[in-house]
Amino acid sequence: DQQVKQNSPSLSVQEGRISILNCDYTNSMFDYFLWYKKYPAEGPTFLISISSIKDKNEDGRFTVFLNKSAKHLSLHIVPSQPGDSAVYFCAASGGGGADGLTFGKGTHLIIQP
Amino acid sequence: NAGVTQTPKFQVLKTGQSMTLQCAQDMNHNSMYWYRQDPGMGLRLIYYSASEGTTDKGEVPNGYNVSRLNKREFSLRLESAAPSQTSVYFCASSGVRSFGNTIYFGEGSWLTVV
Repeated sequence: DQQVKQNSPSLSVQEGRISILNCDYTNSMFDYFLWYKKYPAEGPTFLISISSIKDKNEDGRFTVFLNKSAKHLSLHIVPSQPGDSAVYFCAASGGGGADGLTFGKGTHLIIQP
Repeated sequence: NAGVTQTPKFQVLKTGQSMTLQCAQDMNHNSMYWYRQDPGMGLRLIYYSASEGTTDKGEVPNGYNVSRLNKREFSLRLESAAPSQTSVYFCASSGVRSFGNTIYFGEGSWLTVV
């Protein structure tokens, strides 16, 4: 039973356009959400996070939106750049279970020139 | 700025062999974790340690043991490796328990069991 779902395994976006990556969760006890970026043969690196008391958090070109009633969050990247091509993982914590983050399966973002 | 360092980077094992993955962090973090990543599966928590001297099971602990040697080091041991343990293993750490905090990952260890 997957508690964090990323339903798009891959996404292709033209350079300069907006990339929107989506994530849904089922555990209403999650209270902190994060996005990680992963290049091949490297470890995941933290990108941006949001607490459940907020509905938006911005950091430069990256914005995360949280819709608690829909149990949905999204990551917007504007404008998309070639270096953004990577796998993006959505993660959540505070689910009342084991410590650590619960991850989605990832979305492979491909930025086309 | 090393962050989280894990060794070895690559390892090939025969079924039934044992090995230990080593992990150390230099950020004075309390919590440490071991995850595995399989194709199409995301990252799954194997074991974690909320503080020195404590360890707890995560989502997929079977076939593994861990040791929190001190605040810096957290090792993962495969006592009798199986092909199903072929995976990429990531060690990670965070300042306090991960609720509301960010986890930082190592570079990964690629393990193949034949």
